[in-house]
Amino acid sequence: SQTIHQWPATLVQPVGSPLSLECTVEGTSNPNLYWYRQAAGRGLQLLFYSIGIDQISSEVPQNLSASRPQDRQFILSSKKLLLSDSGFYLCAWSGGQINQPQHFGDGTRLSIL
Amino acid sequence: SQELEQSPQSLIVQEGKNLTINCTSSKTLYGLYWYKQKYGEGLIFLMMLQKGGEEKSHEKITAKLDEKKQQSSLHITASQPSHAGIYLCGADIDYSGAGSYQLTFGKGTKLSVIP
Repeated sequence: SQTIHQWPATLVQPVGSPLSLECTVEGTSNPNLYWYRQAAGRGLQLLFYSIGIDQISSEVPQNLSASRPQDRQFILSSKKLLLSDSGFYLCAWSGGQINQPQHFGDGTRLSIL
Repeated sequence: SQELEQSPQSLIVQEGKNLTINCTSSKTLYGLYWYKQKYGEGLIFLMMLQKGGEEKSHEKITAKLDEKKQQSSLHITASQPSHAGIYLCGADIDYSGAGSYQLTFGKGTKLSVIP
């Protein structure tokens, strides 16, 4: 069966520091991968999605970037964190066809001080 | 604008009562998903509906899709404290009309079940 791992679970970082959140999927190959941010009262916001290695689309302009160095690894990064980057970040995967559900990791709670 | 509207935003029910959550789309639906989330955790996939009139059940949770109304409803029978959480609907929406779909989520419905 497929599993998705996301870490760390919580992170407290100072403003201006770098960020690296990692997500890996097991039990499937060539998944679509996604990074979301969830803010209170604002629902899920899609940040990046990837249909293959080094194929990444950005949905919103921001202080973040994503990379997919391996088929089942998706990394969310920032060179300098802003206060507004605080939130709950979720990684997800899905199969390649339309009408396939996305399956989510446990999330990372990021607090910027 | 919000393409997927969920109602109500929050709901408090007594244990044993039935309840319904609605999800309405302003655009054509091509697939509707229901998820449950506990605070501080990831989303758990409940079920997917694809065809108008389709109905699926998972334990005491039933979801229906009304394609004409572009609406889905999630019904919980005899609610229990374990049902508490945030329920989110998501839908594959073709924004451009060119067959390129994007999964969009509603803002969620917070359900509290009082013992």
